[in-house]
Amino acid sequence: AQSVTQLDSQVPVFEEAPVELRCNYSSSVSVYLFWYVQYPNQGLQLLLKYLSGSTLVKGINGFEAEFNKSQTSFHLRKPSVHISDTAEYFCAVSGEDSSYKLIFGSGTRLLVRP
Amino acid sequence: DSGVTQTPKHLITATGQRVTLRCSPRSGDLSVYWYQQSLDQGLQFLIQYYNGEERAKGNILERFSAQQFPDLHSELNLSSLELGDSALYFCASSPDHRGEAFFGQGTRLTVV
Repeated sequence: AQSVTQLDSQVPVFEEAPVELRCNYSSSVSVYLFWYVQYPNQGLQLLLKYLSGSTLVKGINGFEAEFNKSQTSFHLRKPSVHISDTAEYFCAVSGEDSSYKLIFGSGTRLLVRP
Repeated sequence: DSGVTQTPKHLITATGQRVTLRCSPRSGDLSVYWYQQSLDQGLQFLIQYYNGEERAKGNILERFSAQQFPDLHSELNLSSLELGDSALYFCASSPDHRGEAFFGQGTRLTVV
């Protein structure tokens, strides 16, 4: 069965610094990968997705992620964060292994400090 | 605005009661997902429907049931409610089965 591991529960970073949020998945077949963001008291918003093609995907708000099949990773990066990026970030996977259920990781809280 | 509408936004009810949560997907989306989010369990997949048919089932309790109607809106029914059912319940819709989901704002259920 597919699963997602987000290695860091919280990542503190200073404003304008770069950040990487780590995500690893397990699957024996091809997958679709997603990053979602959740601001306080709101629903989840899709940041970016990998369905096929280029392994480097760009999303909204300056975020990007790279699909690495050999390392089964899909890390999220941003070169310079803003205070407004403070939120919970979820990595998710779907695919044949999970009957296309969208399986989420436990989330990483990004805390941007001034 | 994701285009997914959930009602009600807040619900407070007593233990043992039954409630119905409603979800209207984005126009044209055939898939509807239900998730439960709580502090201790995180974001748990409950159930998925595709064009009216149940497609996948997750950690959904027997006291919970769902359906998707011909107009594609979906309802999640929670019965014999317990304190531990207090959580945020999200509905999401997707144009296909691959998982690119658009989430509603959620229904916050409080069982007292």
